Amino acid sequence: EDQVTQSPEALRLQEGESSSLNCSYTVSGLRGLFWYRQDPGKGPEFLFTLYSAGEEKEKERLKATLTKKESFLHITAPKPEDSATYLCAVQAMNSGGYQKVTFGTGTKLQVIP
Amino acid sequence: GAGVSQTPSNKVTEKGKYVELRCDPISGHTALYWYRQSLGQGPEFLIYFQGTGAADDSGLPNDRFFAVRPEGSVSTLKIQRTERGDSAVYLCASSLKGVAGRYNEQFFGPGTRLTVL
Repeated sequence: EDQVTQSPEALRLQEGESSSLNCSYTVSGLRGLFWYRQDPGKGPEFLFTLYSAGEEKEKERLKATLTKKESFLHITAPKPEDSATYLCAVQAMNSGGYQKVTFGTGTKLQVIP
Repeated sequence: GAGVSQTPSNKVTEKGKYVELRCDPISGHTALYWYRQSLGQGPEFLIYFQGTGAADDSGLPNDRFFAVRPEGSVSTLKIQRTERGDSAVYLCASSLKGVAGRYNEQFFGPGTRLTVL
């Protein structure tokens, strides 16, 4: 069974204090790993897609990396507006030949001014 | 352009009742997904449509849950004989199917908060 584990569950940072969020996964037939941001009361908002080990993507203060077992979301010099829950999801082919999406439980990030 | 919309935004019902939740995907998106999200959890996959057909319904918890997408656009999630445990936020997402076996990002709607009393 596909599994996605995110750590830490919650993270509190001072503004400007860089850190990393982890997403470890166990899946066969990975088709893509996705990072989303979710604000309270809203649906997840797409950030990045990574398809193969060694791939990296960047957007403003965020950088996502991928290995064969885990992905990191690096946050450089965060600002209070970066406060949100960050979700990781993997998409893979299941035994029936259909693609399936599995989300982690998320990391709740709070950035203090 | 318009994003994914879901109606209603909130639904309160009594145990045993039938409910329908609607999703309007982004125009032109062939893939549509339904998820259920409980407080403090990530979205839980329910069903995936490619066009009009349900390509993967392995996430539906039991036969009280059913979803349709008759014309390949709007989708309705139907829940019969609702139970208190069905209370959650139901999210819909749509995407374009990618090329070379890859899948594109999903665009999510704001969700429908279902409360079963």
